[in-house]
Parts: sequence; C-alpha cells; structure tokens
Amino acid sequence: DTGVSQNPRHKITKRGQNVTFRCDPISEHNRLYWYRQTLGQGPEFLTYFQNEAQLEKSRLLSDRFSAERPKGSFSTLEIQRTEQGDSAMYLCASSSSPGTNTGELFFGEGSRLTVL
Amino acid sequence: AQSVAQPEDQVNVAEGNPLTVKCTYSVSGNPYLFWYVQYPNRGLQFLLKYITGDNLVKGSYGFEAEFNKSQTSFHLKKPSALVSDSALYFCAVRDRGNTPLVFGKGTRLSVIA
Repeated sequence: DTGVSQNPRHKITKRGQNVTFRCDPISEHNRLYWYRQTLGQGPEFLTYFQNEAQLEKSRLLSDRFSAERPKGSFSTLEIQRTEQGDSAMYLCASSSSPGTNTGELFFGEGSRLTVL
Repeated sequence: AQSVAQPEDQVNVAEGNPLTVKCTYSVSGNPYLFWYVQYPNRGLQFLLKYITGDNLVKGSYGFEAEFNKSQTSFHLKKPSALVSDSALYFCAVRDRGNTPLVFGKGTRLSVIA
C-alpha cells in the first residue's frame, strides 16, 4: 500500500537557512494539501493544489514559503530564511476531488522542522 | 469562516467505561464533519465522517459520533474504552464548497487500566 509519503521526517537547521520538504501523495489523488501543526494545536491549513494548480493559500503562508506541484504528482514546500517560529510539524495530505468524495484527507506522517 | 471548538484539552476515562470527546462547529450551510486520531509519531488517521443522512455515524475501532444540528455538535463516543484508544483526537469541519478542512485544537484521551 503506498500511502502519503513525506521526507525528510526530521530536519534540524540553523536560523536563516533554507529547507525543502517533499510529499508524494496517493497516486490516484489529484488534490494535495499542506498543513502545519505546532505543539498543542490542531493542523492549520497552508495551501492546496488540484493537479498542478495551486488553488488556495492561507494568510499563514508568508512570502518566505513557497509550494510547488510541477507535474501534478509530488509536491515540495520550501521555507526560505527560516526563523525559530517556523519550527513545527509540516503535514501533507491528499484526496480525490470533491466530485468523487466528500473531502476525506489521507495524511502522511509529517516532516518535523526544528530551527535553532 | 468555519471553525471547530474542542472544549476539553484532556479527557480521562477508565478502561471499560464509555467515553465522549466533545466537538462543536460553526459553518455556513450544511457541514461535512470528521474525526481523526493521532498516535505518537504517527500521521492523522481518519476515524469517521458525517455527510448526510443518519445523525449517528459509525467508524473505525468501534467509535461513533452523533451529529446534532440544533446544537451544532458532533461528539465522538465509544461504549467501552480501551487503553489502546489513548491518543490525540481532532474534530474537523468543512462546508460543501471547495474549502479545506478546518481542525480543532485536539483533545488528548487517556484511558486508564
């Protein structure tokens, strides 16, 4: 079974460095979501794609954050000039389009970022 | 804008007793409602959802949830708790458009043997 895969699982970096996370969704899913989760909080929406088109971005997604899904398959989330406040678990999820389901998301295990 | 409230940060229950984890929501129109569970160092796992129809929905691992439109609630329940049910539980809501899921803060369930 190939569920949603994320890597790296853990990343420790120094403030000011750039980091990139990768997400491979379930192959037949055309929607891909990025969420961020900090300790004691629920997942907060960052952005989502339908195929290669980025359809919505949260106000949480500052201009230091960029996400791509170039061929409508895997996606990358890059954070430039990291800050300590970026330390969090970055979650990726995928789903088929709402026309064929009711929005259930399938999550990966997350990529934990620690900024020193 | 849609939102979810989980009023309890922590719920403690003895093994074998019934459990309830509370959730209330706010959304324009009719909601889609979900419960997810998160075990340590694992991703969120889908438990159950309410879309339409019967207000009592059954899900994985013996969990169920009751949709109450007048109280805008979707409480998670299980008749007999297991120690292995101890985890973090998240309620989530979306409207019937293309909006992303909005999650609550989570409730930590601790089942004591």
